[in-house]
Amino acid sequence: QQQVKQSPQSLIVQKGGISIINCAYENTAFDYFPWYQQFPGKGPALLIAIRPDVSEKKEGRFTISFNKSAKQFSLHIMDSQPGDSATYFCAAEFGRKLTFGTGTRLTIIP
Amino acid sequence: SAVISQKPSRDICQRGTSLTIQCQVDSQVTMMFWYRQQPGQSLTLIATANQGSEATYESGFVIDKFPISRPNLTFSTLTVSNMSPEDSSIYLCSVEGRVWETQYFGPGTRLLVL
Repeated sequence: QQQVKQSPQSLIVQKGGISIINCAYENTAFDYFPWYQQFPGKGPALLIAIRPDVSEKKEGRFTISFNKSAKQFSLHIMDSQPGDSATYFCAAEFGRKLTFGTGTRLTIIP
Repeated sequence: SAVISQKPSRDICQRGTSLTIQCQVDSQVTMMFWYRQQPGQSLTLIATANQGSEATYESGFVIDKFPISRPNLTFSTLTVSNMSPEDSSIYLCSVEGRVWETQYFGPGTRLLVL
């Protein structure tokens, strides 16, 4: 049973544009929602995270929007750059365990 | 965040053999985790390793196949036993951060079983 659904599977955005990745969860017990960025041949790196009592969190060009009632959250990358090309995973945490989404391969084109 | 290293970084193994993967952290951590990431797929938690106690395995993973050791607060090993080609994956260790919900990942061990 997949508890965190992520879309799209792949995304192509022009340089300077906004990249948006969406996730939805089912288990209302989840209480922490991180996003990870993974480059080829590397381990996932924590990018930004949010708790369900906050509707939005911004760190630089990265913003998480969180809709608790809809059980959805999304990652927005503003002014997307070629260096942002990577695979992004959303995740949800409960009981010190992370459940990951299926990943989005983001490609930023010039 | 913690600095995490894994050995080996990659390996090619024959079916029926076993491989032990090491995970070293530069600071003491309570919880360590082992994940599997199959090619082009997401991460799946194998087990949680707490120092001084037996590892806790997730559904679908058993100790006989994936024995784990956690001898101290900075080190853990995962053994992939009696390997088959289906075990070809990236194996990642992670550790809990100071904010205990956060996890930081090592670079991974890329395993190919022939």
